[in-house]
Amino acid sequence: DQQVKQNSPSLSVQEGRISILNCDYTNSMFDYFLWYKKYPAEGPTFLISISSIKDKNEDGRFTVFLNKSAKHLSLHIVPSQPGDSAVYFCAASAGAQKLVFGQGTRLTINP
Amino acid sequence: NAGVTQTPKFQVLKTGQSMTLQCAQDMNHEYMSWYRQDPGMGLRLIHYSVGAGITDQGEVPNGYNVSRSTTEDFPLRLLSAAPSQTSVYFCASRRTGGYTEAFFGQGTRLTVV
Repeated sequence: DQQVKQNSPSLSVQEGRISILNCDYTNSMFDYFLWYKKYPAEGPTFLISISSIKDKNEDGRFTVFLNKSAKHLSLHIVPSQPGDSAVYFCAASAGAQKLVFGQGTRLTINP
Repeated sequence: NAGVTQTPKFQVLKTGQSMTLQCAQDMNHEYMSWYRQDPGMGLRLIHYSVGAGITDQGEVPNGYNVSRSTTEDFPLRLLSAAPSQTSVYFCASRRTGGYTEAFFGQGTRLTVV
């Protein structure tokens, strides 16, 4: 049973435009959500997070939106840059314990 | 500032062989975990630990063993390697007692032939 789902395996966006990556979850106990970025042959690195008491968190070009009623979160990258090309994973946890990850979305930024 | 260190980076095993993947962290994190990454499957949790002497199973624990004798180290043992265990393995650590991110090692690419 996949508790965290990223239904788009890949996404291609023009440089300078907005990239929107989506994630759905099923476990209503999840109260902390994170996005990770992964380059080939490297470990995932933390990008941005949001707790369930908020519906938006911003950090520079990255914004995460949380819609608790729909059990949906999204990551917006504006403007998209070539260095943003990577695999993005969303993750969720119930409390400060184990993280459950989605399948990942490969983002390609085209010049 | 080492963070999370995994060894080895690459390993080829024959079916039936055993080996240990090493993971060490220098951030004094209580929580440590092992994931495997397979195409289309994302990162799946194998085992985790909330402190020295305490371990628990994740989503895909079969064929793997862990122990946590110190805060710093969390080795993952493959008891009898199978081709289905060919994967990239990541160790992660996280502070407990608050909402914080997990830090990952660089990964171990394991091939079982």
